[in-house]
Amino acid sequence: EAGVTQSPTHLIKTRGQQATLRCSPISGHTSVYWYQQALGLGLQFLLWYDEGEERNRGNFPPRFSGRQFPNYSSELNVNALELEDSALYLCASSQQGQVRETQYFGPGTRLLVL
Amino acid sequence: AQSVTQLDSQVPVFEEAPVELRCNYSSSVSVYLFWYVQYPNQGLQLLLKYLSGSTLVKGINGFEAEFNKSQTSFHLRKPSVHISDTAEYFCAVTPLGGANNLFFGTGTRLTVIP
Repeated sequence: EAGVTQSPTHLIKTRGQQATLRCSPISGHTSVYWYQQALGLGLQFLLWYDEGEERNRGNFPPRFSGRQFPNYSSELNVNALELEDSALYLCASSQQGQVRETQYFGPGTRLLVL
Repeated sequence: AQSVTQLDSQVPVFEEAPVELRCNYSSSVSVYLFWYVQYPNQGLQLLLKYLSGSTLVKGINGFEAEFNKSQTSFHLRKPSVHISDTAEYFCAVTPLGGANNLFFGTGTRLTVIP
Protein backbone atom coordinates (compact mmCIF):
# COMPACT_ATOMS: atom_id res chain seq x y z
CA GLU A 1 0.00 0.00 0.00
CA ALA A 2 1.42 3.38 -1.00
CA GLY A 3 2.07 5.84 1.77
CA VAL A 4 1.53 9.58 1.83
CA THR A 5 3.25 11.21 -1.11
CA GLN A 6 4.30 14.82 -1.49
CA SER A 7 5.58 16.87 -4.39
CA PRO A 8 7.88 18.45 -5.15
CA THR A 9 10.61 17.17 -2.85
CA HIS A 10 12.43 20.49 -3.05
CA LEU A 11 11.27 23.96 -4.03
CA ILE A 12 13.30 27.14 -4.35
CA LYS A 13 11.51 30.48 -4.53
CA THR A 14 12.35 34.13 -3.99
CA ARG A 15 10.76 36.55 -1.58
CA GLY A 16 7.31 37.68 -2.63
CA GLN A 17 6.62 34.71 -4.88
CA GLN A 18 3.97 32.06 -4.33
CA ALA A 19 4.61 28.39 -3.57
CA THR A 20 2.28 25.46 -4.14
CA LEU A 21 2.89 22.17 -2.39
CA ARG A 22 0.94 18.99 -3.07
CA CYS A 23 -0.01 15.97 -1.01
CA SER A 24 -1.70 12.66 -1.79
CA PRO A 25 -3.03 10.80 1.25
CA ILE A 26 -3.05 7.07 1.80
CA SER A 27 -5.86 5.44 -0.15
CA GLY A 28 -9.03 5.44 1.95
CA HIS A 29 -7.93 8.33 4.16
CA THR A 30 -10.15 11.40 4.10
CA SER A 31 -8.22 13.70 6.46
CA VAL A 32 -5.11 15.63 5.48
CA TYR A 33 -2.93 17.70 7.82
CA TRP A 34 -0.15 20.13 7.06
CA TYR A 35 2.74 20.88 9.42
CA GLN A 36 5.71 23.21 9.17
CA GLN A 37 9.08 22.07 10.48
CA ALA A 38 11.26 25.15 10.61
CA LEU A 39 14.77 25.23 12.00
CA GLY A 40 14.67 26.09 15.67
CA LEU A 41 10.87 26.12 15.84
CA GLY A 42 10.06 22.45 15.73
CA LEU A 43 6.93 21.02 14.16
CA GLN A 44 3.94 23.32 14.09
CA PHE A 45 0.42 22.53 12.94
CA LEU A 46 -0.75 24.52 9.92
CA LEU A 47 -4.02 23.19 8.54
CA TRP A 48 -6.43 20.26 8.73
CA TYR A 49 -8.78 19.27 5.90
CA ASP A 50 -11.43 16.60 6.09
CA GLU A 51 -14.01 15.70 3.46
CA GLY A 52 -13.06 18.75 1.43
CA GLU A 53 -13.52 21.24 4.24
CA GLU A 54 -10.99 23.17 6.32
CA ARG A 55 -11.59 21.95 9.88
CA ASN A 56 -8.88 23.74 11.81
CA ARG A 57 -5.89 25.98 11.28
CA GLY A 58 -2.88 26.77 13.39
CA ASN A 59 -1.44 30.13 14.31
CA PHE A 60 -0.28 31.13 10.85
CA PRO A 61 -1.13 34.21 8.76
CA PRO A 62 -3.82 34.05 6.05
CA ARG A 63 -1.21 33.92 3.29
CA PHE A 64 -0.95 30.23 4.23
CA SER A 65 -3.95 28.58 2.65
CA GLY A 66 -4.93 25.38 0.98
CA ARG A 67 -7.65 23.16 -0.26
CA GLN A 68 -8.67 19.54 -0.48
CA PHE A 69 -9.89 18.03 -3.70
CA PRO A 70 -12.70 15.48 -4.21
CA ASN A 71 -10.09 12.69 -4.39
CA TYR A 72 -8.86 13.87 -0.94
CA SER A 73 -5.49 15.09 -2.21
CA SER A 74 -4.52 18.50 -0.97
CA GLU A 75 -2.61 21.63 -1.89
CA LEU A 76 -0.88 24.06 0.40
CA ASN A 77 -0.38 27.55 -0.98
CA VAL A 78 1.95 30.08 0.53
CA ASN A 79 1.59 33.59 -0.88
CA ALA A 80 3.98 36.53 -0.58
CA LEU A 81 6.83 34.29 0.53
CA GLU A 82 9.10 35.52 3.30
CA LEU A 83 12.57 34.26 4.19
CA GLU A 84 11.28 32.71 7.40
CA ASP A 85 8.93 30.48 5.40
CA SER A 86 11.94 28.35 4.56
CA ALA A 87 11.17 25.01 6.16
CA LEU A 88 10.25 21.39 5.65
CA TYR A 89 6.50 21.11 5.06
CA LEU A 90 5.06 17.80 6.12
CA CYS A 91 1.72 16.40 5.09
CA ALA A 92 -0.04 13.67 7.05
CA SER A 93 -3.24 11.73 6.55
CA SER A 94 -5.60 9.76 8.75
CA GLN A 95 -8.59 7.60 8.05
CA GLN A 96 -11.50 9.66 9.32
CA GLY A 97 -10.12 12.61 11.19
CA GLN A 98 -10.90 11.29 14.62
CA VAL A 99 -8.63 12.36 17.44
CA ARG A 100 -7.60 8.81 18.39
CA GLU A 101 -6.33 7.97 14.92
CA THR A 102 -2.72 7.74 13.88
CA GLN A 103 -1.52 10.36 11.46
CA TYR A 104 0.75 8.98 8.74
CA PHE A 105 3.35 11.38 7.44
CA GLY A 106 4.83 11.91 4.01
CA PRO A 107 8.52 12.64 3.36
CA GLY A 108 7.96 16.38 3.11
CA THR A 109 8.67 19.24 0.74
CA ARG A 110 11.70 21.33 1.55
CA LEU A 111 10.99 24.96 0.68
CA LEU A 112 13.85 27.42 0.43
CA VAL A 113 13.05 31.11 0.09
CA LEU A 114 15.90 33.29 -1.15
CA ALA B 1 -3.60 25.21 25.57
CA GLN B 2 -1.17 22.34 25.23
CA SER B 3 2.60 22.32 25.25
CA VAL B 4 5.23 19.60 25.10
CA THR B 5 8.74 19.81 26.52
CA GLN B 6 11.57 17.55 25.49
CA LEU B 7 14.33 18.56 27.85
CA ASP B 8 17.18 16.88 26.00
CA SER B 9 17.88 18.22 22.54
CA GLN B 10 20.68 15.68 21.98
CA VAL B 11 21.34 12.30 23.57
CA PRO B 12 24.48 10.34 22.67
CA VAL B 13 24.54 6.72 23.79
CA PHE B 14 26.77 3.74 23.10
CA GLU B 15 25.45 0.82 21.10
CA GLU B 16 23.66 -1.83 23.20
CA ALA B 17 23.26 0.60 26.12
CA PRO B 18 19.81 1.58 27.44
CA VAL B 19 18.31 4.95 26.66
CA GLU B 20 15.53 7.15 28.01
CA LEU B 21 14.19 10.15 26.11
CA ARG B 22 12.20 12.48 28.32
CA CYS B 23 8.89 14.12 27.50
CA ASN B 24 6.73 16.29 29.73
CA TYR B 25 3.49 17.95 28.72
CA SER B 26 1.19 20.65 29.96
CA SER B 27 -2.54 20.62 29.30
CA SER B 28 -5.73 21.76 30.98
CA VAL B 29 -7.57 18.73 29.59
CA SER B 30 -6.79 15.06 29.14
CA VAL B 31 -4.63 14.21 26.17
CA TYR B 32 -3.59 11.39 23.93
CA LEU B 33 0.19 10.97 23.71
CA PHE B 34 2.43 9.91 20.84
CA TRP B 35 6.07 9.30 20.04
CA TYR B 36 7.23 9.69 16.45
CA VAL B 37 10.66 9.01 14.92
CA GLN B 38 12.17 10.87 11.98
CA TYR B 39 15.06 9.23 10.15
CA PRO B 40 17.32 11.47 8.02
CA ASN B 41 15.55 12.87 4.97
CA GLN B 42 12.33 11.08 5.79
CA GLY B 43 8.93 11.92 7.22
CA LEU B 44 7.73 10.98 10.69
CA GLN B 45 6.88 7.42 11.64
CA LEU B 46 4.72 6.50 14.62
CA LEU B 47 6.61 4.57 17.31
CA LEU B 48 3.79 4.21 19.82
CA LYS B 49 0.77 5.96 21.29
CA TYR B 50 -1.16 6.09 24.54
CA LEU B 51 -4.92 6.45 24.30
CA SER B 52 -6.16 4.76 27.48
CA GLY B 53 -5.70 1.65 29.61
CA SER B 54 -2.31 0.34 30.69
CA THR B 55 0.14 3.14 31.28
CA LEU B 56 3.02 1.09 29.83
CA VAL B 57 2.84 1.17 26.06
CA LYS B 58 4.94 -0.98 23.79
CA GLY B 59 5.80 0.19 20.32
CA ILE B 60 7.81 -0.80 17.30
CA ASN B 61 11.55 -1.47 17.18
CA GLY B 62 11.68 -2.48 20.87
CA PHE B 63 10.66 0.94 22.23
CA GLU B 64 8.24 1.46 25.10
CA ALA B 65 6.89 4.45 26.99
CA GLU B 66 5.19 4.96 30.32
CA PHE B 67 2.43 7.47 30.90
CA ASN B 68 2.61 9.13 34.31
CA LYS B 69 -0.40 11.35 34.83
CA SER B 70 0.73 12.83 38.15
CA GLN B 71 4.06 13.90 36.68
CA THR B 72 2.54 14.69 33.25
CA SER B 73 5.30 12.70 31.62
CA PHE B 74 5.55 10.18 28.80
CA HIS B 75 9.20 9.08 28.69
CA LEU B 76 10.42 6.81 25.91
CA ARG B 77 12.78 3.94 26.70
CA LYS B 78 14.70 1.19 24.99
CA PRO B 79 16.78 -1.36 26.92
CA SER B 80 19.45 -1.80 24.22
CA VAL B 81 19.93 0.56 21.29
CA HIS B 82 21.26 -0.18 17.82
CA ILE B 83 23.09 1.99 15.34
CA SER B 84 19.91 2.06 13.27
CA ASP B 85 18.10 3.87 16.11
CA THR B 86 20.04 7.04 15.33
CA ALA B 87 17.29 9.54 14.47
CA GLU B 88 15.23 12.45 15.74
CA TYR B 89 12.45 11.57 18.18
CA PHE B 90 9.37 13.70 18.71
CA CYS B 91 6.85 13.54 21.51
CA ALA B 92 3.37 14.85 20.68
CA VAL B 93 -0.02 15.30 22.33
CA THR B 94 -3.53 15.96 21.15
CA PRO B 95 -6.39 16.90 23.48
CA LEU B 96 -9.33 14.58 23.95
CA GLY B 97 -12.38 16.03 22.28
CA GLY B 98 -10.39 18.82 20.72
CA ALA B 99 -9.46 19.73 17.20
CA ASN B 100 -7.53 17.00 15.54
CA ASN B 101 -4.01 18.40 15.41
CA LEU B 102 -0.83 17.28 17.11
CA PHE B 103 1.26 19.50 19.38
CA PHE B 104 4.89 18.50 19.10
CA GLY B 105 7.93 18.90 21.29
CA THR B 106 11.11 20.29 19.77
CA GLY B 107 12.61 16.85 19.34
CA THR B 108 15.53 14.85 20.72
CA ARG B 109 18.34 13.77 18.46
CA LEU B 110 19.49 10.31 19.50
CA THR B 111 22.96 9.38 18.30
CA VAL B 112 24.08 5.81 18.83
CA ILE B 113 27.84 5.49 19.05
CA PRO B 114 29.47 2.23 17.86
